[in-house]
Order: sequence, then C-alpha cells, then structure tokens
Amino acid sequence: TQLLEQSPQFLSIQEGENLTVYCNSSSVFSSLQWYRQEPGEGPVLLVTVVTGGEVKKLNRLTFQFGDARKDSSLHITAAQPGDTGLYLCAGSGAGSYQLTFGKGTKLSVIP
Amino acid sequence: GAGVSQSPSNKVTEKGKDVELRCDPISGHTALYWYRQRLGQGLEFLIYFQGNSAPDKSGLPSDRFSAERTGESVSTLTIQRTQQEDSAVYLCASSALGGGGGDEQFFGPGTRLTVL
Repeated sequence: TQLLEQSPQFLSIQEGENLTVYCNSSSVFSSLQWYRQEPGEGPVLLVTVVTGGEVKKLNRLTFQFGDARKDSSLHITAAQPGDTGLYLCAGSGAGSYQLTFGKGTKLSVIP
Repeated sequence: GAGVSQSPSNKVTEKGKDVELRCDPISGHTALYWYRQRLGQGLEFLIYFQGNSAPDKSGLPSDRFSAERTGESVSTLTIQRTQQEDSAVYLCASSALGGGGGDEQFFGPGTRLTVL
C-alpha cells in the first residue's frame, strides 16, 4: 500500500511570512499532484510534477518533486490570507488512474 | 454545466436508513471517480468508472456501498443500512480520459453525510 505523509498537519502564520509543507513516501510515484481545498468545496488541482528533481512555479508557490520521486514540497512566499486552505498531495503509479492522497496540511494565514 | 455538480449538498439520516448520492460529471468526461473524505483525513478512493468498462470497485469499504453510472453521464452512490462510521464528505470527480496521473480530475463540491 502506497502512503503519503504530509507535514505539518496544521500551520498558522502571519501574512507576509514564507512557509514550506512536505509530502513524503517510501514509495515511488510516477507523478505527484498538489491540490488546494477550501471549506465546502472539492479539491482544485494546483500542479502536477512528473520528473524527478522537477521544480514548478505558480506565482508565489514553488513545487518540487524529489530526485527519487518519493517526496515533494510546496513553498509559499509572502503568504496571503487568500492562501488559506487545506493543501493535499496525491500520487499515482505508472499508468494508474488511482490517486493516493495524503491527509493534508491545513494552512491559516492571519491578516 | 461548467463543472462537476453533486446533490444533495448535505444529507442527515438515521442509522440504518439507505441514502443515495448523485454526481453529474463534466459533459464529455469519460472517467468518473468517487472518494470519501472523513474529518481531518485525506481522500479515500471508493470506485472508478471509465466509459463502458467494468468499474473498479476495489475501494468500496463494504457490500453496503454500491455505485452505478449511466453511460458517460450521471452516477449515483448508494449506501445501504447506514452506520455512524459512514459520516463523511463524499466527493465525485471526473476526468477527460482517466488514463493516469497526468489526466486532471475535476472535483465536485461534495455531499456531507451525517448519520445520527
């Protein structure tokens, strides 16, 4: 069974601070996705990474896929209250439609 | 419709009753997924439909759970004889191809089920 561990589970920071959240596994994934979920809504895809060592940027968000494709990180620069939400990572194996989700990091950005 | 829709948005039921949850995927999407999200947990895969292929039911937690899909449109998830442990948000997602991690899944807002 593939498991994804996310840390920290909860994070509360002041507006303007930087933060990094982590997604770790002992298994190799062919691709890994990051989602943000707001209360009462479904998750929304932020990015998909597929190559070991890959770095993708989405405005103030930087995503990195580990060289061994077992872990990933999400770094947010100068966090804004609009960044508040539950950040989920999800991995899939080669050619598989099944996503394995982590439990998420609940981020609160205080104005 | 612009996105995936689900109904009802909230459902409160008594233990032992049956419930039926509905999902309307994005038009033209061949793949449809059901997930369960318990409080403070990640998403747990339940079932996957792809076109006319036999569904992958490997994630259904018990035989009280079943799901149907009409062609490439509406899907219903039925939970019989509900238990308090079934309380969760049930999320539906659809994707254009269903072929793997690179195929984006679009999620509906979910149905929050509370079993008293």
